[in-house]
Amino acid sequence: DGGITQSPKYLFRKEGQNVTLSCEQNLNHDAMYWYRQDPGQGLRLIYYSQIVNDFQKGDIAEGYSVSREKKESFPLTVTSAQKNPTAFYLCASNRGISYEQYFGPGTRLTVT
Amino acid sequence: KQEVTQIPAALSVPEGENLVLNCSFTDSAIYNLQWFRQDPGKGLTSLLLIQSSQREQTSGRLNASLDKSSGRSTLYIAASQPGDSATYLCAVYSGGSNYKLTFGKGTLLTVNP
Repeated sequence: DGGITQSPKYLFRKEGQNVTLSCEQNLNHDAMYWYRQDPGQGLRLIYYSQIVNDFQKGDIAEGYSVSREKKESFPLTVTSAQKNPTAFYLCASNRGISYEQYFGPGTRLTVT
Repeated sequence: KQEVTQIPAALSVPEGENLVLNCSFTDSAIYNLQWFRQDPGKGLTSLLLIQSSQREQTSGRLNASLDKSSGRSTLYIAASQPGDSATYLCAVYSGGSNYKLTFGKGTLLTVNP
């Protein structure tokens, strides 16, 4: 079955540690996205990539980093510079602009 | 800057009722509008995508309309069922230098048996 997988589902980290969230898709989509969801705030775009080896900052990129070395993979690293990292993180992909966007199941990150 | 508003924030209806969820956006220069469903603790499931040149899209009991000039979209759910209970989100794909989806905060729908 084609789709987007995110791992792990739940992640717990101590403050000051970097953590990497995985996102893999087998939909042969060119574009991939990372969003953050907080209660009462809706989804906010962190980073997006329209093609391999290229990515752009979204609205809240500070404290995050990404890479896009393979078409199928778009990992997100939450660094210690991110002041409020506890949130629900969602990865998405689509064929490109104006195409339907599909989402993964999400990773809930808790930093204490 | 594109802003998306969804009204109401929460809605509770009895089973079987037809209902309408509203979405408005401030910049009419959009490529498309997408409606999603989100169950608690889960990712988003795409329901309908309406291109900017279209007026409406239908899928089963769902019908979404788009009035780009007035910056509005509605999601009509016919004969609601308890399984329709979820948060419904609309999002618009805007042009400019950053091609991205801008989301509303969603409408939490509860359908009571």
